[in-house]
Amino acid sequence: GENVEQHPSTLSVQEGDSAVIKCTYSDSASNYFPWYKQELGKRPQLIIDIRSNVGEKKDQRIAVTLNKTAKHFSLHITETQPEDSAVYFCAASNIGAAGNKLTFGGGTRVLVKP
Amino acid sequence: DGGITQSPKYLFRKEGQNVTLSCEQNLNHDAMYWYRQDPGQGLRLIYYSQIVNDFQKGDIAEGYSVSREKKESFPLTVTSAQKNPTAFYLCASRGTSGISEQFFGPGTRLTVL
Repeated sequence: GENVEQHPSTLSVQEGDSAVIKCTYSDSASNYFPWYKQELGKRPQLIIDIRSNVGEKKDQRIAVTLNKTAKHFSLHITETQPEDSAVYFCAASNIGAAGNKLTFGGGTRVLVKP
Repeated sequence: DGGITQSPKYLFRKEGQNVTLSCEQNLNHDAMYWYRQDPGQGLRLIYYSQIVNDFQKGDIAEGYSVSREKKESFPLTVTSAQKNPTAFYLCASRGTSGISEQFFGPGTRLTVL
């Protein structure tokens, strides 16, 4: 089955700096890679996703890059703000497979210091 | 917070007791999922259902059971066979037209006393 590794497990940045979270996956059949943000005690919410036919996707201060050959993808947050403090999860899925199951990374706790 | 709901928010049970967690969605989604989240860890899939009256085991199904008698409901029972049931349980649903995101419920925190 799919295995997703996520690094780092914690990340502390100064407000205004950039944050980068990296994930690797094992199943070359995976073709959909969402990122979720989970604030303390709340539900995970999708912040950005990318398909395997695209190398990069941006949405305001957030961007995701995908390297299919190396089987890794990254989340970039620029101009970080205190409200970016949360746990971020990457995930991988094979949309064509039964169930469209997501396999999640272990999460990265991001702390943005004012 | 509409769309997908879970109840109760907090649940306490004694060892040896079965307990059922509720998950309801009004998004008309066919697929529903149950995840378990432990402190400092990612989400692990317990069970999933793609359609009414059908469900499949996920990665950590032992000690859990589910039913899918209605499209909008996917209850999870944590049985006494689950050795370490204290965790945060998240339900999710997804539409089946192409690629679409999984929407999560607010979660139920289960504590075994």
